[in-house]
Amino acid sequence: QKEVEQNSGPLSVPEGAIASLNCTYSDRGSQSFFWYRQYSGKSPELIMSIYSNGDKEDGRFTAQLNKASQYVSLLIRDSQPSDSATYLCAVDSGAGSYQLTFGKGTKLSVIP
Amino acid sequence: EPEVTQTPSHQVTQMGQEVILRCVPISNHLYFYWYRQILGQKVEFLVSFYNNEISEKSEIFDDQFSVERPDGSNFTLKIRSTKLEDSAMYFCASRGDGNTEAFFGQGTRLTVV
Repeated sequence: QKEVEQNSGPLSVPEGAIASLNCTYSDRGSQSFFWYRQYSGKSPELIMSIYSNGDKEDGRFTAQLNKASQYVSLLIRDSQPSDSATYLCAVDSGAGSYQLTFGKGTKLSVIP
Repeated sequence: EPEVTQTPSHQVTQMGQEVILRCVPISNHLYFYWYRQILGQKVEFLVSFYNNEISEKSEIFDDQFSVERPDGSNFTLKIRSTKLEDSAMYFCASRGDGNTEAFFGQGTRLTVV
């Protein structure tokens, strides 16, 4: 059974601070890792993808991957109230399968 | 910006009835997916579809479910005889060839009464 684990939160940070979201996964064969943002009642919106160990930056977002530790994280710098949402970690099944396994998500609240 | 579109946005149906959920994937994408999310729970994979056939399916995708690409643009999910526990948000997603990123439609909220 492939598992993706996230702290459900809520994680509260003040506006302008760095929000740090973490995710662990069980399948060592996974090759592609994604962060989606989901506003309440809405669909997942892709914000970052990462495939190799290390950091990947895109604007205020930085994804970090450590395959040895089976750990993925997302940092959001200069957090804004509009960043308040649930952040879903998703992992593929590897071996050419792009079926995604999602974590339950971490609810982020950015306090003005 | 291209997007995945789903219709209807909300469907209410009686238990035992058939429903068809519709999706128009991004036009040059070749891989199509259905996921569902029961209220308060994880997004769960149902099925993937490529080259006019199912490539993977989960345990949830039993004989009550089927998918079809009836023409060049639509991708549908049919639930033959709905149960109360089928109530969920159903998301269609698509992915381009040579690309790992999947983009989701806005979802159909299915309520079985």
